[in-house]
Amino acid sequence: QKEVEQDPGPLSVPEGAIVSLNCTYSNSAFQYFMWYRQYSRKGPELLMYTYSSGNKEDGRFTAQVDKSSKYISLFIRDSQPSDSATYLCAMNKGAQKLVFGQGTRLTINP
Amino acid sequence: DVKVTQSSRYLVKRTGEKVFLECVQDMDHENMFWYRQDPGLGLRLIYFSYDVKMKEKGDIPEGYSVSREKKERFSLILESASTNQTSMYLCASSLAAYEQYFGPGTRLTVT
Repeated sequence: QKEVEQDPGPLSVPEGAIVSLNCTYSNSAFQYFMWYRQYSRKGPELLMYTYSSGNKEDGRFTAQVDKSSKYISLFIRDSQPSDSATYLCAMNKGAQKLVFGQGTRLTINP
Repeated sequence: DVKVTQSSRYLVKRTGEKVFLECVQDMDHENMFWYRQDPGLGLRLIYFSYDVKMKEKGDIPEGYSVSREKKERFSLILESASTNQTSMYLCASSLAAYEQYFGPGTRLTVT
């Protein structure tokens, strides 16, 4: 069993929709939970991170962590075509080494 | 702005060749990483380095080695390239545990 599971999609939604992206994990020692965004032919870039449980909001993006269920989510409100990318969840135990999910390819249709 | 650069965007090599992938970061980060990214498998860590001349194996180190002689430069070496090493290779550097800065990637094809 992989430490981090993420549905690879692809996911296609109309512009303006609310998008929900999710990951589950098995290691209860994980402390930092990150979402990276990767545009085509580019390296991933950090979108948001959360330490331990709870919610974090940044503009149209909200990250949620539920440690009791070992489940993390990224919500995108009012989705735009420019949000089309692959979204990767990542987590670690406080050390530098990250464990990544497979990534979900998202397309927002105008 | 943090910048991580990789020596080539695209590379084609023959089976058995020795291949060098170079990565340079300009932010004085202690930590540097090499990943490969394959469809359906996500990012997998090959090696990382937390200081000059220090290295640790990641999840898939077989067939690879690394070199870090200077803080800003981290090299990945394929000793004898094989077709199953055809992949996208991504280099990253970091200061904080939660944020890694990635280069644009090198798409390596081994024929």
